[in-house]
Amino acid sequence: DAMVIQNPRYQVTQFGKPVTLSCSQTLNHNVMYWYQQKSSQAPKLLFHYYDKDFNNEADTPDNFQSRRPNTSFCFLDIRSPGLGDAAMYLCATSWREGNQPQHFGDGTRLSIL
Amino acid sequence: SQQGEEDPQALSIQEGENATMNCSYKTSINNLQWYRQNSGRGLVHLILIRSNEREKHSGRLRVTLDTSKKSSSLLITASRAADTASYFCATSAGGFNKFYFGSGTKLNVKP
Repeated sequence: DAMVIQNPRYQVTQFGKPVTLSCSQTLNHNVMYWYQQKSSQAPKLLFHYYDKDFNNEADTPDNFQSRRPNTSFCFLDIRSPGLGDAAMYLCATSWREGNQPQHFGDGTRLSIL
Repeated sequence: SQQGEEDPQALSIQEGENATMNCSYKTSINNLQWYRQNSGRGLVHLILIRSNEREKHSGRLRVTLDTSKKSSSLLITASRAADTASYFCATSAGGFNKFYFGSGTKLNVKP
């Protein structure tokens, strides 16, 4: 039973054309995270939401934005994708309180033409 | 950066052998977690060890934590071909559940 669902699994977009990736959860967790993972590298945290509070990582480019309209859904918007943004994008959820695991979706692999 | 380093980067063993991978990190932590990632999939949580714990077991997994050396190890005993995956450590610090991942070990278990 998938608890963190990412759509689509594969996304192709053109250089500079805005793209939105989506994530939904059935766990009712209060935190949702977005990670970028390039080939053979560690997942890199882009930002997270604690409820509706948005927390950006210092080195996340301005090109990346996020929305969380409700507890269940979170979106990653890339305003003007460049070739360097081709990657796997992973969504995860957890409870805010410490010592809790994160639950990941299967990711969206983004390709830029 | 809080991000950890793992070694080896890649490990190839025969089915039935044990696999050990190591993780080092830079700052004080609340806990350290290990995750597994099959090719093209998301990460799956394996085990969490708190900063005041030294060893933890879960099935064929054994994790140790040495906070004085800022290091952890994951041992998979009696490995199976299905254990082939990448394994990542992740550290959390402060009161908030936010993690930074290590560089990962790619494990190949040959049947």
